[in-house]
Amino acid sequence: GENVEQHPSTLSVQEGDSAVIKCTYSDSASNYFPWYKQELGKRPQLIIDIRSNVGEKKDQRIAVTLNKTAKHFSLHITETQPEDSAVYFCAASRAGAAGNKLTFGGGTRVLVKP
Amino acid sequence: DAGVIQSPRHEVTEMGQEVTLRCKPISGHNSLFWYRQTMMRGLELLIYFNNNVPIDDSGMPEDRFSAKMPNASFSTLKIQPSEPRDSAVYFCASSFWVMNTEAFFGQGTRLTVV
Repeated sequence: GENVEQHPSTLSVQEGDSAVIKCTYSDSASNYFPWYKQELGKRPQLIIDIRSNVGEKKDQRIAVTLNKTAKHFSLHITETQPEDSAVYFCAASRAGAAGNKLTFGGGTRVLVKP
Repeated sequence: DAGVIQSPRHEVTEMGQEVTLRCKPISGHNSLFWYRQTMMRGLELLIYFNNNVPIDDSGMPEDRFSAKMPNASFSTLKIQPSEPRDSAVYFCASSFWVMNTEAFFGQGTRLTVV
């Protein structure tokens, strides 16, 4: 089955700096890669996603890149703000006849210091 | 739509008791996932259903865990008998299985087994 590895597990950045989180996946047939943000005590919520036919996607201060050959994808947050402090999860999914199993990485705890 | 609804929000039970967690997915969604979240193991996929049919239950830790989806608008996760190591936050998520789309999470059930 799919295995998703995420690094780093914790990340501390100064407000205004950039944050980068990296994930690798094992199933070359995976074709959907969402990123979720989870604030303390709350549910995970989608912040951005990318499909396998796209190499990069940007939404304001966040961007995601995908390298299908290397089977890795990354989340980039620019101009970080204190409200970006949260746990971020990457995930990989593969659409198939039996459905779309969504497998998560281990999470990255991001702390933005004012 | 009110989103994915889980009940109860909190459950405290004694070791050995049966626990039933409930989930109502978003209307129209045809994929449903049960996840368990702990500090040590992150977000683990326990089981997922597609069109009410269990597709992959390889993440169910033991025979003490069982899940059902009798219709498109309701699912249960049952633990019998419960043990202290089952203490975790259990999330239900749903999505619309068409070439992979966003999975929406419920608010979770925080289970404490004493």
